[in-house]
Amino acid sequence: AQSVAQPEDQVNVAEGNPLTVKCTYSVSGNPYLFWYVQYPNRGLQFLLKYITGDNLVKGSYGFEAEFNKSQTSFHLKKPSALVSDSALYFCAVRPGYSSASKIIFGSGTRLSIRP
Amino acid sequence: GAGVSQSPSNKVTEKGKDVELRCDPISGHTALYWYRQSLGQGLEFLIYFQGNSAPDKSGLPSDRFSAERTGGSVSTLTIQRTQQEDSAVYLCASSLVSSGSGETQYFGPGTRLLVL
Repeated sequence: AQSVAQPEDQVNVAEGNPLTVKCTYSVSGNPYLFWYVQYPNRGLQFLLKYITGDNLVKGSYGFEAEFNKSQTSFHLKKPSALVSDSALYFCAVRPGYSSASKIIFGSGTRLSIRP
Repeated sequence: GAGVSQSPSNKVTEKGKDVELRCDPISGHTALYWYRQSLGQGLEFLIYFQGNSAPDKSGLPSDRFSAERTGGSVSTLTIQRTQQEDSAVYLCASSLVSSGSGETQYFGPGTRLLVL
């Protein structure tokens, strides 16, 4: 069965420092991987996705994520955090071979950036 | 160019009443999802519609919950005999599923349900 794990409920980073939000997955075949962000009192927004090709994917707001097949991970990263990055982040996965399979979301990681 | 819309935006109801929540997906999107999110928590998958396939209802928490999608477009989530633990934000998302391109979900603003 497919699954996705976000091992950290909360990540705290000082502004200007690099940030990493971790995500690991389990899925048959090649995965489609996604990151979404939810700002306070706002809906979920798409950040980036990995389908195929270059393992480093760049997305909105300066975020990027690296697909690591051997470690089955898709960690979200940003070189220099901003206070405005504080939000709830969700990783998601779906098997690439089947359009009938639903997307599965992780439990979310709350990112807090201190000034 | 409208996104996913949901109505009502807020719903307050009394315990035991039935409620209907509506989702209008982006035109042409083949997939539609319903999720439930308790305050500041993760997304709980409820149901998934994809094209003409039978819906994946594996996330519905009880037989009080049901959903339908008419004409491959608008979807209605119905909660019968509501209970206080049903209070949450109900989110709808739609996407265009096509082989090899992945799918980006577009989320609606949600319906905030409060059961008194």
